[in-house]
Amino acid sequence: RKEVEQDPGPFNVPEGATVAFNCTYSNSASQSFFWYRQDCRKEPKLLMSVYSSGNEDGRFTAQLNRASQYISLLIRDSKLSDSATYLCVVNRRGGGSQGNLIFGKGTKLSVKP
Amino acid sequence: DAGVIQSPRHEVTEMGQEVTLRCKPISGHDYLFWYRQTMMRGLELLIYFNNNVPIDDSGMPEDRFSAKMPNASFSTLKIQPSEPRDSAVYFCASSLGTGLRPEAFFGQGTRLTVV
Repeated sequence: RKEVEQDPGPFNVPEGATVAFNCTYSNSASQSFFWYRQDCRKEPKLLMSVYSSGNEDGRFTAQLNRASQYISLLIRDSKLSDSATYLCVVNRRGGGSQGNLIFGKGTKLSVKP
Repeated sequence: DAGVIQSPRHEVTEMGQEVTLRCKPISGHDYLFWYRQTMMRGLELLIYFNNNVPIDDSGMPEDRFSAKMPNASFSTLKIQPSEPRDSAVYFCASSLGTGLRPEAFFGQGTRLTVV
């Protein structure tokens, strides 16, 4: 089983739609969680951190369920500019290090007019 | 700050040749990561350093790959000899490891093609 698993998509949605991505992780000792966004032929960039209580940033909402080892990202009122690949990222705890970031393979989103 | 700087942006080389990829992390960041990205395998962590010391190199595919960080502002990833299956985009990233949620900042990547 891969350490971080995501539905690869693609998700093809119309503008204005609400879309949700899911991610599961296997290491129960994982410390922190993120969503990154990667545009075509570009580098990944941080979209948002994921907090235990859930957090919202504008149209984006992230949720974490530690018991189920499950992370989600909800995008409301999707825009054409949201088209990208969304990467689920887990900070794996190992030997006390906190810098070991493990990426899922990403979920591709395509928003159509 | 200029961000993480990688060079070259593109590299085309023949099988068997040595390839050296370079990275300058963001000043003050104490973690440096090397990732490889392919369509098949996604973004794979190869190795990471903390304060210039390699912490985890379990992702390095084989002995042909080596990475160094001689000082806080420079790192190299070397492939010798290169093979066609090494073709990928190689990303370097750096982060400030303090705090509970260290954000990794990526360079623009080196697109490597081995023919």
